[in-house]
Amino acid sequence: AQKVTQAQTEISVVEKEDVTLDCVYETRDTTYYLFWYKQPPSGELVFLIRRNSFDEQNEISGRYSWNFQKSTSSFNFTITASQVVDSAVYFCALEGGSEKLVFGKGTKLTVNP
Amino acid sequence: DTGVSQDPRHKITKRGQNVTFRCDPISEHNRLYWYRQTLGQGPEFLTYFQNEAQLEKSRLLSDRFSAERPKGSFSTLEIQRTEQGDSAMYLCASSSALVSYEQYFGPGTRLTVT
Repeated sequence: AQKVTQAQTEISVVEKEDVTLDCVYETRDTTYYLFWYKQPPSGELVFLIRRNSFDEQNEISGRYSWNFQKSTSSFNFTITASQVVDSAVYFCALEGGSEKLVFGKGTKLTVNP
Repeated sequence: DTGVSQDPRHKITKRGQNVTFRCDPISEHNRLYWYRQTLGQGPEFLTYFQNEAQLEKSRLLSDRFSAERPKGSFSTLEIQRTEQGDSAMYLCASSSALVSYEQYFGPGTRLTVT
């Protein structure tokens, strides 16, 4: 069975703080993909990143960075110098042998001015 | 270039009524997915199509639910005899090999069953 756990239900920070969103996954597949999506209040899921299981290199995109560690089955997401526009629900997701995405329950991030 | 579109965006219906939602994928995306998202939860997979073939259905998709993609382009999701527990956001996504099968989501249809 595949499972994604996002233990942090809600996080609140002040603008310009760094914040890390945790994601732990379970899968028996040797080849799989991990994703992060952002869901702002408007409701549409916005794709942020996709990583395959063979690529453990960390990735940085502007203020966003991702840390993939197979040894701990984690794929954490860090926002540096957070901004109010980063306020949203963030979902981590896993795609294994089947074609479907398995999502975590999400972490609601609130960035206060 | 347009993204995935869904219609309607909101639907309020009375228990027992039938409802139908439509999804138009990004053109040339041969895969189309339906997910359901209830309040405070992540999206849950319902079903997916490759072209017009429905390749997988979740156990969540009871026999009151049916999905079609008759010409391999748009898709419809019908719920018969709606129940209050069907109230949720219904999300559609599409993908193709051109984008390494990354799934791009539409804005969703919010269903409220009263």
